[in-house]
Formats: sequence, C-alpha cells, structure tokens
Amino acid sequence: EVQLVESGGGVVRPGGSLRLSCAASGFTFDDYGMSWVRQAPGKGLEWVSGINWNGGSTGYADSVKGRFTISRDNAKNSLYLQMNSLRAEDTALYHCARVTNDNLFDYWGQGTLVTVSS
Amino acid sequence: QSVLTQPPSASGTPGQRVTISCSGSSSNIGSNYVYWYQQLPGTAPKLLIYRNNQRPSGVPDRFSGSKSGTSASLAISGLRSEDEADYYCAAWDDSLSGGVFGGGTKLTVL
Repeated sequence: EVQLVESGGGVVRPGGSLRLSCAASGFTFDDYGMSWVRQAPGKGLEWVSGINWNGGSTGYADSVKGRFTISRDNAKNSLYLQMNSLRAEDTALYHCARVTNDNLFDYWGQGTLVTVSS
Repeated sequence: QSVLTQPPSASGTPGQRVTISCSGSSSNIGSNYVYWYQQLPGTAPKLLIYRNNQRPSGVPDRFSGSKSGTSASLAISGLRSEDEADYYCAAWDDSLSGGVFGGGTKLTVL
C-alpha cells in the first residue's frame, strides 16, 4: 500500500523558514517523480514544486520560485521542501504527491499545515 | 484565479446524473491528459479519473470522464450521498511547465 506521510509544518513568522519532509513507503521510491501541492484554508489545489526520480530536474510555481527548494533522498525514501522568506499567502496545507508518467498525481499524503503569521 | 475553469458548485438528487465541466487552453487540456480528483471533507485528494477517461482500480464505473479540444468533463451517474465532495480537474501546462488545477466544484447531493 502506497503511503506518504508529511511532517515539519508549524507556525512561523513572515520572513521565516521551514523545512517539510515526506516519508514514502509501499512503492519503489526512486522509480517516481514527486511533487508538493498546497491548499490554502478553504481554497483549491495549487501545484508548488516537482522533482524527477533522481533529483536531476526540478520545477517550481512562479509564486514560490527563488524562495522554495525541493529535494529528495532516495536512500531514505524521503522528499523535502525547504521554504524560505515565507509570506502570509504561503499559509496552506502542504501535500506531497507521487507523480505519474503524465506529470500529474496519483497518490497523496494527508498534508502538513504551514501557518505564516506574526 | 485558477488556470482551469470549473463551476464552483453542482447538485443533484440521489440516482441522478451530474456532470462537471473543466475548461482550459491549448497549452494544458488541449495538449495533455486530464485527471480528476475527489476530495471528501477533511481528507486528501483521491484520484478518480486519469488520462481523460481511465478509472483506477476500485473507482466505481458510475464515474466517467471525457475530453474534447480544450475542455473536459466528469460525469457521475446514479448519484449517491457519499459522492458529496469537492471535485478538481488537473492537467500539465506546457507553457507554465507545471501542473494546473481547476478551482474545484462542490457537489451537493440533495
């Protein structure tokens, strides 16, 4: 059974940093690209960032480019999102998701909540 | 403002057939596959339809998808109370080099 479990969320002040983690199990992690998708409270889904199977290719939404960095450790079956210069509009539930050959998502974690507030 | 356009709400009575539309452009729906997700309250999104009209194992055949040009739609037949959820369409966008979503449609079963 595919499982994705996020952690690392919390409350942070504007301008602060946070590092999210996603622990994957139930599939061969380095066979798949991975992504982060967020959902602001009461709002829809927004793709944030993606990474290919070996970390050699990454992509970011314009809203986070230059502030967020995605990475992975295949030896630990883990995905990460380093978030710097956080803004109030980054407040959201952050899901990690497994990426299909179509660059979209088949399995999702429950998410970790990030709140940016002074 | 979402890149893909969905109606914010839809409704139907048990047993009815409901459709949810998703409109995009040549850089996303027009040139890539469409996926649909169901999000029950307080849960993670669940893949409902992939590659425009394919159902993952375990998804009832009451759910079907279609695509034509730069638009797609999700149909739910034999509506049930447990179908009450938010539904999202998604596609890869070649211009943005990223995944894009619709704003979501809240389905109410009356």
